[in-house]
Amino acid sequence: AQSVTQLGSHVSVSEGALVLLRCNYSSSVPPYLFWYVQYPNQGLQLLLKYTTGATLVKGINGFEAEFKKSETSFHLTKPSAHMSDAAEYFCAVSAQGGSEKLVFGKGTKLTVNP
Amino acid sequence: SQTIHQWPATLVQPVGSPLSLECTVEGTSNPNLYWYRQAAGRGLQLLFYSVGIGQISSEVPQNLSASRPQDRQFILSSKKLLLSDSGFYLCAWINAPEGYTEAFFGQGTRLTVV
Repeated sequence: AQSVTQLGSHVSVSEGALVLLRCNYSSSVPPYLFWYVQYPNQGLQLLLKYTTGATLVKGINGFEAEFKKSETSFHLTKPSAHMSDAAEYFCAVSAQGGSEKLVFGKGTKLTVNP
Repeated sequence: SQTIHQWPATLVQPVGSPLSLECTVEGTSNPNLYWYRQAAGRGLQLLFYSVGIGQISSEVPQNLSASRPQDRQFILSSKKLLLSDSGFYLCAWINAPEGYTEAFFGQGTRLTVV
């Protein structure tokens, strides 16, 4: 079975500062890992994904994440926050090889201060 | 390209009334389909998933049910709504034949039970 833990339900940064959103996963088989962003009253949009291959994954809007198997982590970063980055972010995991489930973390709400 | 339609966008229903939310997918076949509920501060809770017509798996005991009458149609229902059924409902699909590389979400339905 898979599970995801997102550390920090709320993160606040200043505009231009580094964004770091933490995600740790648990999976008994090699995982697929995802980060999604949700703006108010909208569905989720994929930011980036790790399937296989390169462990540093680049996504849209300048975000990137690194898969670290030894740490079971998939933290999301962006070098310089923009006001438009304010949203809720979800980390998710599914299992390679055929699981029907995509399991999400509880989300982290990012606030960007001017 | 693949698209997912979910409706209605918002719904206000009295306690004890029935519910029917519909989700349809275009541009793919044999998708895995999911219903999630998002309550404030609780992240995304997986309610049901379906790997094929007539195949429904329930994740949590609840007042809701799901059906999949056609390959690309997934319906969430209730015979009698409870106040606790209020929330933001999201439909999602993953294209099973290509591996679990990405989930696509509808725009969500904001349900308020009064």
